[in-house]
Amino acid sequence: QKEVEQDPGPLSVPEGAIVSLNCTYSNSAFQYFMWYRQYSRKGPELLMYTYSSGNKEDGRFTAQVDKSSKYISLFIRDSQPSDSATYLCAMTNAGNNRKLIWGLGTSLAVNP
Amino acid sequence: DTEVTQTPKHLVMGMTNKKSLKCEQHMGHRAMYWYKQKAKKPPELMFVYSYEKLSINESVPSRFSPECPNSSLLNLHLHALQPEDSALYLCASSQAENPREAQETQYFGPGTRLLVL
Repeated sequence: QKEVEQDPGPLSVPEGAIVSLNCTYSNSAFQYFMWYRQYSRKGPELLMYTYSSGNKEDGRFTAQVDKSSKYISLFIRDSQPSDSATYLCAMTNAGNNRKLIWGLGTSLAVNP
Repeated sequence: DTEVTQTPKHLVMGMTNKKSLKCEQHMGHRAMYWYKQKAKKPPELMFVYSYEKLSINESVPSRFSPECPNSSLLNLHLHALQPEDSALYLCASSQAENPREAQETQYFGPGTRLLVL
């Protein structure tokens, strides 16, 4: 079993839809959770960062962490074609020299 | 400003060539990273520098040689590469408040797309 599981998709939604992206993990020591967005042939761009459990909102994006279920989510409201990209979750813990453990990434297409 | 810059954007090299990739950040970050990314895969960590000292080498072949001339610059020297080394090479940086640890939020550059013929 991989430390971080993420459905690679592809996920295709109409413009304006609410998108839900998810990762599960097995290491209960993880404390820091990140979502990166990566456009084709570009570097990953940090979207959201959450420490421990709870929700965090930034504009149309909401990140949720449920440590009891070892499950994290990224919600995108009012999705736009410009949101079409690969979304990668990453996580780590303080004792791991902060080495990031990555999901495979979910490919999202938002259709106009 | 959360910008990490990388040069060149594209690089084509033969297996006998020597080339270097360059990375620069001016965010005052003290941890810098090299990653390799293949298509449809997540980034794969290669090296970590913390306070200009190499702190992690993920068993990378010696044909890849990192260098950190100062806290803002990171180089990756390439020599005698193989076609399977063709990939997107990403640089990242993060704050490092403790010399033994790197703050977890990493900011990535746009990458250098390398093709080895």
